[in-house]
Parts: sequence; structure tokens; C-alpha cells
Amino acid sequence: EVQLVESGGGIVQPGGSLRLSCAASGFTFSSYWMHWVRQAPGKGLVWVSRIDTDVTQTNYADSVKGRFTISRDNAKNTLYLQMNNLRAEDTAVYYCVRGLWGCDYWGQGILVTVSS
Amino acid sequence: DIQMTQSPSSLSASVGDRVTITCRASQGIRNDLGWYQQKPGKAPKRLIYVASSLQSGVPSRFSGSGSGTEFTLTISTLQPEDFATYYCLQHNSYPWTFGQGTKVEIK
Repeated sequence: EVQLVESGGGIVQPGGSLRLSCAASGFTFSSYWMHWVRQAPGKGLVWVSRIDTDVTQTNYADSVKGRFTISRDNAKNTLYLQMNNLRAEDTAVYYCVRGLWGCDYWGQGILVTVSS
Repeated sequence: DIQMTQSPSSLSASVGDRVTITCRASQGIRNDLGWYQQKPGKAPKRLIYVASSLQSGVPSRFSGSGSGTEFTLTISTLQPEDFATYYCLQHNSYPWTFGQGTKVEIK
């Protein structure tokens, strides 16, 4: 069974940093592109970032470019999202998503709140 | 960036109704489109991939069609568990973009 479990969320002040992790199991993690998608409270889904299988290519939404960094450790079956210089508008549930013909499997999500 | 215009933003329907939701892309995306269902407090679940392929385990009352710029999700006979919010997602080019969502409510 495919499982994606996010961790590392919480409350952080504006300008602060946070690193999200996503532990993957039930599939060959190193064979799949992985993504982060977020959803602000009461709002729609927004794609954030993607990383390919061997960490040679990454893509970001304009809203996070230069502040967020996606990475992965295939030996640990773990996806990361380093978030720096956080803003109030980054407050959202962040989902770790496996990428196959789009987004197929989703984690349960982790809440990040940026507030003073 | 490719804009995905989803309509309607909400609809009221009864159990047993046929429901159609549309997504229009601002430029051609071939069939690089998926449909997702999200219930309150839960992660989205994929229903349809590459525009018309049914995700394993998803009931056959869900179907997708379209190619290029116009796409449709159809629920042939609405069931009580189908009341949720539905999103389309284009994965043709980065940044990937979602439609704004369609909330299907009970009439």
C-alpha cells in the first residue's frame, strides 16, 4: 500500500524557516517524481514544486521561487521541502504527492501556520 | 502559465442526478489532465487521469472526456458519497495548475 506521511509542520513567525519531510513507503520511491501541493484554509489547491527521480531537475511556483527548496533522499525514501523567509500567505496545508500521470497518491497533509 | 477555468464553481443536485463539470485550458494541453475529489478535512483523491482513464478502484459512474482545451467530468448517477469538491489539474507544462474547484452540494 502506498503511504506518504508528512511531518515538520507547525507555527512559525513571518520571516522564519521550516522544513517539511515526507516519508514514503509501499512503492519504489526512487522511481517516481514527487511534488508538493498546498491548500490555504478554505481555498483551492495550488501546485508548489516538483523534483525528478535523480534530483537533476526541479520546478517551482513563482510564489515560492527563491524561498523554497525541494529535495529528496532516495536512500531514506524521504522527500523534503525547505521553506525560508515565510510569509503569512504561505499558511496552508501542505501535501506530499507522488507524480504519475499528474498527481496520483497524496499524503494526509501537514498544516503550516505563519503568524506573529 | 496555463490557466484552468472550471465551471460551475458550485452546484446543487439530488441523489440520482447526472452531473457535469467542465474545465477549459487557456491553451492546448493534449490530454494531460486529471480530475480529483476532495471531501472536507481530507486529502484529494484522483478519479480520472489522462483526461478519460478511470483510476483503479473508482466507481464507473465517474467518467472523463475531452482533449486540447475542453474537458468534462461526468457523474452519471450521483450518490450520497459524491457530495464533495472537485478539481481539475493540468500537468502539461510547469507550473502545473488546478481549476478553482466545483463544490457539489445536496439539493
